[in-house]
Amino acid sequence: LAKTTQPISMDSYEGQEVNITCSHNNIATNDYITWYQQFPSQGPRFIIQGYKTKVTNEVASLFIPADRKSSTLSLPRVSLSDTAVYYCLVGGLRGYSTLTFGKGTMLLVSP
Amino acid sequence: GAGVSQTPSNKVTEKGKYVELRCDPISGHTALYWYRQSLGQGPEFLIYFQGTGAADDSGLPNDRFFAVRPEGSVSTLKIQRTERGDSAVYLCASSQVGGDGYTFGSGTRLTVV
Repeated sequence: LAKTTQPISMDSYEGQEVNITCSHNNIATNDYITWYQQFPSQGPRFIIQGYKTKVTNEVASLFIPADRKSSTLSLPRVSLSDTAVYYCLVGGLRGYSTLTFGKGTMLLVSP
Repeated sequence: GAGVSQTPSNKVTEKGKYVELRCDPISGHTALYWYRQSLGQGPEFLIYFQGTGAADDSGLPNDRFFAVRPEGSVSTLKIQRTERGDSAVYLCASSQVGGDGYTFGSGTRLTVV
């Protein structure tokens, strides 16, 4: 399974755009890139998934360059409630594979 | 149900005792996963079911851990002769082929004293 590297922590302020970059140099051809969010005392929650280029949903955008060796999760205009741990994962068939979690990025949003 | 349900939410047990943790996945989800999460760490894979069978149990740490899913829906994770090192949050997730990702439950916090 491809290993991912992401910052341990990030700080931001309310209303700012936050970009969290993840590197996955050994991503396989059939791997998807998925991001999860986790609040304390809860299980991780799916945010967004993509294979290449750009994906956008109501929560975030995911930017994937052509070589797919990295990806960037973009959270527009964060609020205090976006304070959480964000995990970047790579894995096989959408929604149907064993995922390997790293330690994630702890995002702290301040007033 | 609307989400993945795990019971109990908290379990305190004495070292050496046997415990069972239950997971009720989203209706219709054929894949079910168990993960374990220690403080400050990401979830660690334990076992994955496709239907009734364990498709991958490579994450189970030793033979004290066992999981079943007899009817392809509810799953039970069983831990024998618990040790203090088993203390963690045990997370269950379910998914379906072609779906966007897993849906996790809120977990069972297991404390072995």
